Amino acid sequence: DAGITQSPRHKVTETGTPVTLRCHQTENHRYMYWYRQDPGHGLRLIHYSYGVKDTDKGEVSDGYSVSRSKTEDFLLTLESATSSQTSVYFCAIRGGTGGSYEQYFGPGTRLTVT
Amino acid sequence: GDSVTQMEGPVTLSEEAFLTINCTYTATGYPSLFWYVQYPGEGLQLLLKATKADDKGSNKGFEATYRKETTSFHLEKGSVQVSDSAVYFCALRGASGGSYIPTFGRGTSLIVHP
Repeated sequence: DAGITQSPRHKVTETGTPVTLRCHQTENHRYMYWYRQDPGHGLRLIHYSYGVKDTDKGEVSDGYSVSRSKTEDFLLTLESATSSQTSVYFCAIRGGTGGSYEQYFGPGTRLTVT
Repeated sequence: GDSVTQMEGPVTLSEEAFLTINCTYTATGYPSLFWYVQYPGEGLQLLLKATKADDKGSNKGFEATYRKETTSFHLEKGSVQVSDSAVYFCALRGASGGSYIPTFGRGTSLIVHP
């Protein structure tokens, strides 16, 4: 258990509204990631962070922004939600020892944009 | 760039049957290889890993051997149970020290019938 929580776990919102998802970790990991999971697409990386205030884009970053003002929290914001952003969102941290650096995932947030 | 190809599912088996889920990869050098499992409604969990050629990862009766000559990391289990029904993801982390982004396969759904 890597101590990763996500909030909210479920959210329904309307098109055009802003939405912020939160990922919280308790073990001081440097690297954190946001993914979305959709049928037929597997996992796709949205943004990642390699330290406080250090973030970079993934393969599907359009329409999303992130912030990391402290080590334990990584926020994902949809500035103006669209129906195409209906998905399950997972946060992950990079853990592991001996150079393997596997990832540990949170429980996910199911977001529905109506 | 790096890529992971795994067999499409669903794979449907009867309880106590033998399981193989194929995974092949493309990467330079010697990446670390992983299998993750995702149970319904949950995030991905690390199932097993291998960090160098000929290593065998194992956990909960599942095994996979890192085959550099065939660039493969096939997942096997001798006798599946209904509780093994889940989606299985093969993944790799690139060999370079600055590789922060893992590459995931699309996932293979396993359904085990009593």
